[in-house]
Amino acid sequence: NAGVTQTPKFRILKIGQSMTLQCTQDMNHNYMYWYRQDPGMGLKLIYYSVGAGITDKGEVPNGYNVSRSTTEDFPLRLELAAPSQTSVYFCASSYLQNLPGELFFGEGSRLTVL
Amino acid sequence: KNQVEQSPQSLIILEGKNCTLQCNYTVSPFSNLRWYKQDTGRGPVSLTIMTFSENTKSNGRYTATLDADTKQSSLHITASQLSDSASYICVVSAVGAAGNKLTFGGGTRVLVKP
Repeated sequence: NAGVTQTPKFRILKIGQSMTLQCTQDMNHNYMYWYRQDPGMGLKLIYYSVGAGITDKGEVPNGYNVSRSTTEDFPLRLELAAPSQTSVYFCASSYLQNLPGELFFGEGSRLTVL
Repeated sequence: KNQVEQSPQSLIILEGKNCTLQCNYTVSPFSNLRWYKQDTGRGPVSLTIMTFSENTKSNGRYTATLDADTKQSSLHITASQLSDSASYICVVSAVGAAGNKLTFGGGTRVLVKP
């Protein structure tokens, strides 16, 4: 199993550009998440999904959009990139949410907006 | 507001020495607490999980403790190795109507020197 795979690993955007961060998991997990990690700060939840066709906002959803057309894929869309979106983005998945489910993370996507 | 505070922010130790990382939380109602290890440029990986009734749990040279009364947890690393150089993240889960809600600490960056 590859686990959680994110692409791209690095990307530089200009202000106002758009892009999509891809995330795929092969563990048949129902729950998928997008987090951002800023230096010295805890991970912040952007969006999450409890299954195909169902998504919901996390703590910091502004400027982002997601979709979940399949169990495996959970892309994160950035529209009109802003310098405040410079961060490292992590996709994660888990099997159980209401019990002590372990999060499995991808390796991260480092995004710089100039 | 749910919060997780970790200390110290960073520390340097010599190979073979022990160290202890602290995690204080104000998350309620408490469900469980996980410690994750995050190597540089990688996603976090779960080390241990502590539920309300557990005081101590070990995973190799890593030992986590939990005091639910004082809302404190610690992660002790015994006989440190160079591969222990990483960030260690405390994640506390609160029970919610829509499933568990996670709060991440800012992490402790550990550098093990030879």
